[in-house]
Amino acid sequence: AQTVTQSQPEMSVQEAETVTLSCTYDTSESDYYLFWYKQPPSRQMILVIRQEAYKQQNATENRFSVNFQKAAKSFSLKISDSQLGDAAMYFCAYEGASGSRLTFGEGTQLTVNP
Amino acid sequence: DAGVIQSPRHEVTEMGQEVTLRCKPISGHNSLFWYRQTMMRGLELLIYFNNNVPIDDSGMPEDRFSAKMPNASFSTLKIQPSEPRDSAVYFCASRYSGRTDTQYFGPGTRLTVL
Repeated sequence: AQTVTQSQPEMSVQEAETVTLSCTYDTSESDYYLFWYKQPPSRQMILVIRQEAYKQQNATENRFSVNFQKAAKSFSLKISDSQLGDAAMYFCAYEGASGSRLTFGEGTQLTVNP
Repeated sequence: DAGVIQSPRHEVTEMGQEVTLRCKPISGHNSLFWYRQTMMRGLELLIYFNNNVPIDDSGMPEDRFSAKMPNASFSTLKIQPSEPRDSAVYFCASRYSGRTDTQYFGPGTRLTVL
């Protein structure tokens, strides 16, 4: 079974600074998708970014980018120019070849300090 | 476009009562997912429908839980009888077609069983 691990329960960053959230996963599949979701206090799950495993290029969405290391099974999220609105719980998620479920990590609570 | 709609947003009930959670997926999406979020277990898939047919219900905790999707625009998750350990946030998510698309989440229903 696939597992997703986020080793940082909490992180903090100063406004306008850069922060990196870590995620590792375990799988025997070669074809899969990886996601970062954001959950603010409203508890709405919001897609931040996704990465297809077959793509070597790291995904980027405005201030959000990933560092995807397939051999190391690592998928970190970098937030540049952090804003107060970025404060939330961030979940890393995996979807395998079956395409039937997202497997989530434990989450990282990000605090942005003014 | 309207996103995934869930109702109610909050539900408080007493142990032993029947609870019904409702979900309206995004129009045109043909896959629907029910997830549960708890502090102890994190986010976990309960059941997954494709074209209104249940495909994977291995995450349904026990016979007290049942889910239906009578048509493409409506799904229910029922708990009967409810127990305090069912207290959680229940999310519905939907997506279009195959696994290459992203799952979009509803706002969730916070269930409290007293």
